[in-house]
Formats: sequence, C-alpha cells, structure tokens
Amino acid sequence: EPEVTQTPSHQVTQMGQEVILRCVPISNHLYFYWYRQILGQKVEFLVSFYNNEISEKSEIFDDQFSVERPDGSNFTLKIRSTKLEDSAMYFCASSETGHGTEAFFGQGTRLTVV
Amino acid sequence: GENVEQHPSTLSVQEGDSAVIKCTYSDSASNYFPWYKQELGKGPQLIIDIRSNVGEKKDQRIAVTLNKTAKHFSLHITETQPEDSAVYFCAASISAAGFQKLVFGTGTRLLVSP
Repeated sequence: EPEVTQTPSHQVTQMGQEVILRCVPISNHLYFYWYRQILGQKVEFLVSFYNNEISEKSEIFDDQFSVERPDGSNFTLKIRSTKLEDSAMYFCASSETGHGTEAFFGQGTRLTVV
Repeated sequence: GENVEQHPSTLSVQEGDSAVIKCTYSDSASNYFPWYKQELGKGPQLIIDIRSNVGEKKDQRIAVTLNKTAKHFSLHITETQPEDSAVYFCAASISAAGFQKLVFGTGTRLLVSP
C-alpha cells in the first residue's frame, strides 16, 4: 500500500538553528500539507501546497517557515531559526485531489528544540 | 474560523462494548468530516469519513453519523477489541478554493480492556 514517508523520525536541534524536515508524498498525489502536533494537543494545520505554490497557510506558519518541492518527489518544511516552542511532532500529508478527499499522513518527525 | 470540539477526552470500555465519541463544529460551511485513529508513534490514519450530503455511513464495526442542523457528528464503534485502543480524532474540512484544510478535535483516548 502506498504511504507517505518522512525523515528523519526524530530531530534534535539547538535553538536558533535551521532545520529541514523531509517528506515523500504518495506518487500520484497533487496536494501536500504540513500539520503539527504539540505533545498532548490537537493536530494543527500549517500549510497546504499545490502546483508548486502555497494555497493556504495558518497563522502559525509565519516568516520562519517555508515549504518547497525541490525535485518533484520530495516535499520539505524548513524552519529557519528554531524556537523552543517549535518542539512538536510534524506530520506531512498528501491527497490525490483537493477538498473532500482522504489525506494520507506520514508517521511524523518529532522535532525537539533545546 | 472553524472550531471543532470533541468529547470525551478519555473513554474506557470493556472488550465487546460499544464506544461513542462526539464532535461538534462551528462553521456551517464545513462539508467533509473524517475520523482518524492515531496509534502510539504513528501518524493519523483515516478510518471513516462522511460528507454533508449523507446522514450516516457504516463500515463493518465503525459507523459515523452527522447532524448538519445541530452541527454534530459522532463515531460509533461496536464490539470493541483491544486493538481498537488508540487516540481518535475527528476533523472538519473547510474548502478554500478547493483546497483542504482539516481542523481537528482535541482527541479521545480510547482504552479497551480485555
């Protein structure tokens, strides 16, 4: 069964450092998303991406965040200058079409900022 | 924006009993309601979804009901088994120009005791 894969599974970084979280969406999917889940809290939408551009972003997704699809298969989330409060589980998701279709989630990357 | 409330936060049942998890949403424009199961260390996995033109949907031991007037939707699991133990999230989807943004509930930790 096709799946969304994320690397690394766990990333520890110093406050102020840049991190890149990587995702390989399901190959025929056209819509890509990042969500995050702070420990013990709900899953929160960060950004959606289609046709090589951001289609919607939340207020969490400020200037320190960026997304890219560098090579047609990977989908990355960059956090430029990490803060302690960026510590969370980050989930990548993809869907074949847009609204109202199943979004498949990856297993997540646990980001710990120290 | 959309807000999704979910109850209860924890639910303990005996194997074979039924479990019911309830959610309410605030935005009457939401029209897609998926339910996700999240096991420890894994990403959310879709278990069932319902669209606003349908009042009920069933898949083996799992059913979802939707009351658009009251803005309620519920997950029903019958004949629960220990492997049903997980955190369950409801979500509502808002379409922004066709793109999907899932707004999640706070989650319900279901524990099924043998």
